[in-house]
Amino acid sequence: RKEVEQDPGPFNVPEGATVAFNCTYSNSASQSFFWYRQDCRKEPKLLMSVYSSGNEDGRFTAQLNRASQYISLLIRDSKLSDSATYLCVVTRTGNQFYFGTGTSLTVIP
Amino acid sequence: EAGVVQSPRYKIIEKKQPVAFWCNPISGHNTLYWYLQNLGQGPELLIRYENEEAVDDSQLPKDRFSAERLKGVDSTLKIQPAELGDSAVYLCASSLGPRREAFFGQGTRLTVV
Repeated sequence: RKEVEQDPGPFNVPEGATVAFNCTYSNSASQSFFWYRQDCRKEPKLLMSVYSSGNEDGRFTAQLNRASQYISLLIRDSKLSDSATYLCVVTRTGNQFYFGTGTSLTVIP
Repeated sequence: EAGVVQSPRYKIIEKKQPVAFWCNPISGHNTLYWYLQNLGQGPELLIRYENEEAVDDSQLPKDRFSAERLKGVDSTLKIQPAELGDSAVYLCASSLGPRREAFFGQGTRLTVV
């Protein structure tokens, strides 16, 4: 079983829509959680960390459910510039980062 | 502050030839990673360094891949000999420490023909 699993999509949504991505992880010992964004032919960049209490950054909300071992990312009022691949990342002890395969989002005018 | 710097950005080589990639992490970041990313996939760890020590190289194909991080700063990743299946993007990343986010370089896109 993979450490991190994501629905690869693609998700095609109209501008202004709300879209949600989920990610599950297999190891209950996972300690830190992140969402990264990767534009086409670019490197992954940190979008936001995910905290146990949930956190929000503008139009983006991340949540963690340790009991069910999943992480979610909600994007409200989608913009064309949100089109990218969103990578779910979990870490365990000792700086081990595990990436999901990514979820592709295209926001349509 | 400068980010993670990688070179070259692109490399095209014939199979069976050697190739090397270079990475300069963010200043002060003790942890350095080399990842491989194929199209449509997430990055997969090849090797992780804590300072100059390789602490996780279980996914590194040691028959042809090697890496070093002399003095715990810059790192090089080498493939010898390259195979067609090695065509991918090789990403270097660094982080401050345990459970801190990783910052990526722009990657080296390798094409083996």
